[in-house]
Amino acid sequence: TQLLEQSPQFLSIQEGENLTVYCNSSSVFSSLQWYRQEPGEGPVLLVTVVTGGEVKKLKRLTFQFGDARKDSSLHITAAQPGDTGLYLCAGNFGNEKLTFGTGTRLTIIP
Amino acid sequence: DAGITQSPRHKVTETGTPVTLRCHQTENHRYMYWYRQDPGHGLRLIHYSYGVKDTDKGEVSDGYSVSRSKTEDFLLTLESATSSQTSVYFCAIRPGQLDYGYTFGSGTRLTVV
Repeated sequence: TQLLEQSPQFLSIQEGENLTVYCNSSSVFSSLQWYRQEPGEGPVLLVTVVTGGEVKKLKRLTFQFGDARKDSSLHITAAQPGDTGLYLCAGNFGNEKLTFGTGTRLTIIP
Repeated sequence: DAGITQSPRHKVTETGTPVTLRCHQTENHRYMYWYRQDPGHGLRLIHYSYGVKDTDKGEVSDGYSVSRSKTEDFLLTLESATSSQTSVYFCAIRPGQLDYGYTFGSGTRLTVV
């Protein structure tokens, strides 16, 4: 069973600060996705990264895929209260289904 | 919006009773998944389907069964509910390629007392 570890598990920062959360695996991903989940709702896809070393930007969010395709990071610039939520990474190990990490619960304090 | 609905949204049931959760999609997607979400464990795959009457087990399938008699419906049954099955259950669908990502339902909160 492939495992995805996310860190930190919890993060609480002030509005306007920058932050980075991480997703690591001992196995190589075919591709990796990041989702955000708000209370009472299902996760919503933010981005898919496929190529080692790939960087994608979504407004203030920057996603990076490690060169060896075993890790990924999500960087948020100038965090806003609307960024509050549970951030999940999900790995495709080439078997038609995603394996999810345990998530980083982010709280942005106004 | 996304064309996927789960029912019921909340359910309380007694230990030992059977329970069926329903996932309905209007997207005509081939792949459908059932996950459970628990604190400290993230989302864990229970069962998935890759077509009508085609299903397979996930990592936490014990105590659960599924059926898919129509493209649009994927049912999850707890044969005899136990307290360890108290959880939030999510259904997800996806179009062809896995890289396009999943679309999730809003979840069913199940409490077994």
